[in-house]
Amino acid sequence: AQSVTQLDSQVPVFEEAPVELRCNYSSSVSVYLFWYVQYPNQGLQLLLKYLSGSTLVKSINGFEAEFNKSQTSFHLRKPSVHISDTAEYFCAVSPSNFGNEKLTFGTGTRLTIIP
Amino acid sequence: DTEVTQTPKHLVMGMTNKKSLKCEQHMGHRAMYWYKQKAKKPPELMFVYSYEKLSINESVPSRFSPECPNSSLLNLHLHALQPEDSALYLCASSQDRRGGSGNTIYFGEGSWLTVV
Repeated sequence: AQSVTQLDSQVPVFEEAPVELRCNYSSSVSVYLFWYVQYPNQGLQLLLKYLSGSTLVKSINGFEAEFNKSQTSFHLRKPSVHISDTAEYFCAVSPSNFGNEKLTFGTGTRLTIIP
Repeated sequence: DTEVTQTPKHLVMGMTNKKSLKCEQHMGHRAMYWYKQKAKKPPELMFVYSYEKLSINESVPSRFSPECPNSSLLNLHLHALQPEDSALYLCASSQDRRGGSGNTIYFGEGSWLTVV
């Protein structure tokens, strides 16, 4: 079984400041890693994913995440946030050799951008 | 196109009503999912359909009845619900059930259900 820990339930950040949302995971097998974003009153959207290869993955809206196997982390970063980034961010892991139903979510981090 | 469409967006129903939530995808995906999400919580898996057959039922009460009429459609029939069933119901799909490179789960916008 695997688990995901998002230690920060809420992160307030001033507009145009950098942000890091932390995600750590635990698994006895290799995993795929995902960040999903949920804007207010909407469903989940895939932000970015790590499957293999380069450990640094990027989204089209300026977010990036780095897979660190030794620290079992997949932290999400953005160098300069915008008001429109206000949302709930969920980190998720899926074991690479099991079915998709094993996708496990963290408890989420609410990112609030302060004007 | 990575779109999963859900209707209705909002639904209010009484505890004796029968209603349905609908989900559609045209990505050729053969696995479809229902998740339930309570406020300020992560989504919880309810059902998984693989090639139009129910593969997984995560011990969901029988007042929730899923149906997969064809490879593009997924319904969730609701009957005799309780107020605690009020939540956001998310439909999702993926190429198939296998975990694997690129086999990402895509979610719809969700249906907000309120049981009164």
